[in-house]
Amino acid sequence: KQEVTQIPAALSVPEGENLVLNCSFTDSAIYNLQWFRQDPGKGLTSLLLIQSSQREQTSGRLNASLDKSSGRSTLYIAASQPGDSATYLCAVPRIKAAGNKLTFGGGTRVLVKP
Amino acid sequence: ETGVTQSPTHLIKTRGQQVTLRCSSQSGHNTVSWYQQALGQGPQFIFQYYREEENGRGNFPPRFSGLQFPNYSSELNVNALELDDSALYLCASSLRAGGADTQYFGPGTRLTVL
Repeated sequence: KQEVTQIPAALSVPEGENLVLNCSFTDSAIYNLQWFRQDPGKGLTSLLLIQSSQREQTSGRLNASLDKSSGRSTLYIAASQPGDSATYLCAVPRIKAAGNKLTFGGGTRVLVKP
Repeated sequence: ETGVTQSPTHLIKTRGQQVTLRCSSQSGHNTVSWYQQALGQGPQFIFQYYREEENGRGNFPPRFSGLQFPNYSSELNVNALELDDSALYLCASSLRAGGADTQYFGPGTRLTVL
């Protein structure tokens, strides 16, 4: 059974500081790993998807790394802004199962203070 | 905007009642997945439909059932509602059920059971 853990559960930083969000998973047999953003009471917005063959993926101020052998992914957000305040979730397709059903971590709730 | 829509936005029911939630996938997407997200937690996989057939189910009882229609719409039905069913329900569509396919999430339906 795949288990996904995100630490810390909550994070508060001053504006301008870099954010480092961690995600760990128990089984390295994954197709890919996806990072999502969720604003309060809203749906999920996909930020980055890293294929299992990749080591990192970048989009603007966001950079995600993947180390399958150690079961870890890290999302870096450079020069944080108050608009980055949200919950960030990582997810992997469920292993040894057909299809792309996702197992999610519990999320990291981020507050960027002006 | 992911092109995935859900209705209604909010819903209040009482214990024991039945509810139907609806999702409209992106055109051409043959796969729809449903997730339940309790407050402060990551989404949990309920089930997936591929070409109108159930294609995997999470750890949810049979009173959670679904349908997928040829016009890329789908339904989640929950019978005999319990207080613990209060959650945000998310649907996600993808082109195929394969492990590498990106899922696109709708904005969710907030269900409150009193």
